[in-house]
Amino acid sequence: DSGVTQTPKHLITATGQRVTLRCSPRSGDLSVYWYQQSLDQGLQFLIQYYNGEERAKGNILERFSAQQFPDLHSELNLSSLELGDSALYFCASSFTGTSGGDNEQFFGPGTRLTVL
Amino acid sequence: AQSVAQPEDQVNVAEGNPLTVKCTYSVSGNPYLFWYVQYPNRGLQFLLKYITGDNLVKGSYGFEAEFNKSQTSFHLKKPSALVSDSALYFCAVRDYGGATNKLIFGTGTLLAVQP
Repeated sequence: DSGVTQTPKHLITATGQRVTLRCSPRSGDLSVYWYQQSLDQGLQFLIQYYNGEERAKGNILERFSAQQFPDLHSELNLSSLELGDSALYFCASSFTGTSGGDNEQFFGPGTRLTVL
Repeated sequence: AQSVAQPEDQVNVAEGNPLTVKCTYSVSGNPYLFWYVQYPNRGLQFLLKYITGDNLVKGSYGFEAEFNKSQTSFHLKKPSALVSDSALYFCAVRDYGGATNKLIFGTGTLLAVQP
């Protein structure tokens, strides 16, 4: 158990809908990262938050957004869902998010999103 | 831009034999390299990392990795494979630029250990 929790584990929804994925980082970790894993794109970085502020953006669509709350949990919002958004979404956390950090990231179990 | 490559989609090895999962990297600057393992329907688990120091890094579950600067490689190894080692293995490099340490992952190598 990594200490990172994600809810829900599975999500089935229809095209055009909006969903929210939730992540709670390990106790003491200030950084939260979101990754998307799909068969065609592999494991791709979406976005990072550090202590409530956006730190870096990757291949995140404009239909997707995220935030980190004062208690450090994070939510990833996916809207106007398309079939191609079906994937496994991982959250990870680490103590530091600065470019000088060498801390490994700890991953949650993921949320499997299926868009029908 | 930082990148890692895992040239093998799948590695097959018999139980008890040594295993190697290959990874090469391309970075500007000093590389921070990681290995993660993903079991079916599970998240990624951290195995080991190379930041600096000894070229041979020891990690969890008896795995180790050898950092080779001249060959820009960071291969994952284990002296004696177990059936329970069968999983998807990812090599990753920490990205540079800006105030982030996001990871860039390879495409993954499926390790199949036959009894």
